[in-house]
Amino acid sequence: GQNIDQPTEMTATEGAIVQINCTYQTSGFNGLFWYQQHAGEAPTFLSYNVLDGLEEKGRFSSFLSRSKGYSYLLLKELQMKDSASYLCAVPSGGYNKLIFGAGTRLAVHP
Amino acid sequence: DTAVSQTPKYLVTQMGNDKSIKCEQNLGHDTMYWYKQDSKKFLKIMFSYNNKELIINETVPNRFSPKSPDKAHLNLHINSLELGDSAVYFCASSHSSGATEAFFGQGTRLTVV
Repeated sequence: GQNIDQPTEMTATEGAIVQINCTYQTSGFNGLFWYQQHAGEAPTFLSYNVLDGLEEKGRFSSFLSRSKGYSYLLLKELQMKDSASYLCAVPSGGYNKLIFGAGTRLAVHP
Repeated sequence: DTAVSQTPKYLVTQMGNDKSIKCEQNLGHDTMYWYKQDSKKFLKIMFSYNNKELIINETVPNRFSPKSPDKAHLNLHINSLELGDSAVYFCASSHSSGATEAFFGQGTRLTVV
């Protein structure tokens, strides 16, 4: 089966850097996704990692270590609009089924 | 040019009623999903259809019945609604080949009173 753990809540200051961790256990690995979800809105895709290492995309970067079952999402130059939940997810049973972590609620303060 | 659209956005109904949520996608995807997000914000898959065929059916009460008339539409019908069905229901779609991201609709907030 699959198990995904991520911190429930984090707070950070505008302009700072924050790292949101995710650990996973899965039978078979088909990559790891990060989604952003603002309150009352739909989850939106941020990143996908299938190989070890860091993938950079503007202010957001995502890291994966398959041997450690570990990923993190790095947010730089935080803005107030980055206040949202960040969901770690792994595909299961092929690519058709995403298993989500409970999400990390990030609050960015001035 | 909405990619994944679902209706209604809000639904308030009494226990015991039957209700439907509709979903449509114009992305040309061949796979569609229903997810449920409970009060603790935990997003959990319920069903998945690929080219109108049911391929994932998680442990969901049989009061929930998905229907896919074509690969661009996936509706969710719920019979005999219960208080515990109150949640946000998200429709999503993706390609089935390769690990591509899923696109989500804006959600339907169902409140059973």
